Amino acid sequence: QKEVEQDPGPLSVPEGAIVSLNCTYSNSAFQYFMWYRQYSRKGPELLMYTYSSGNKEDGRFTAQVDKSSKYISLFIRDSQPSDSATYLCAMSVLSMFSGGYNKLIFGAGTRLAVHP
Amino acid sequence: EAGVTQFPSHSVIEKGQTVTLRCDPISGHDNLYWYRRVMGKEIKFLLHFVKESKQDESGMPNNRFLAERTGGTYSTLKVQPAELEDSGVYFCASSLQLTGGNSYTEAFFGQGTRLTVV
Repeated sequence: QKEVEQDPGPLSVPEGAIVSLNCTYSNSAFQYFMWYRQYSRKGPELLMYTYSSGNKEDGRFTAQVDKSSKYISLFIRDSQPSDSATYLCAMSVLSMFSGGYNKLIFGAGTRLAVHP
Repeated sequence: EAGVTQFPSHSVIEKGQTVTLRCDPISGHDNLYWYRRVMGKEIKFLLHFVKESKQDESGMPNNRFLAERTGGTYSTLKVQPAELEDSGVYFCASSLQLTGGNSYTEAFFGQGTRLTVV
């Protein structure tokens, strides 16, 4: 069983729609939950991160973490064609060894297409 | 400020040959990571450097892979000899060390090197 499960899609929505992206995980030790966006032929770019449970909002993006259900979500409001990309969830346990670092465990990524 | 840069962007080699990938992290980032995405799979951790020291090599697939970080600056990942299953996209990322009360340090990714072994 994978530590992080993410539906690869593809997901196609019309411009202006609300998009919901989700991941489930099995490791209850995860503390940090990230969403990355990756455009074609580019590297992953951090959108948002959340520590432990709760919600976090940044503009049109809202991240939710439910640790009791081991489930995280990313909502995109008023989706735009420029949001078309692959969205990757990632999780980590903070290691304090050597000053601290985050070893990321990624989901497979969901490909999103927003059409005009 | 320059981001994480990787060279080459794409490499096609024959099975059995050697390939060396290079990563230049963001200046001042002591943490450097290598990740890999093979076809149809998720991005997976390979290893982690703090400055010039390897701290976590738990993701390295086998001894055909050798990573170095000279003087705590740029890093190289050598595959020798390359096999077909090594094909994929290799990402490098870097981050600052934790300071003060911070408990999270963002990892910045390069654009990746697409390796094709034929």
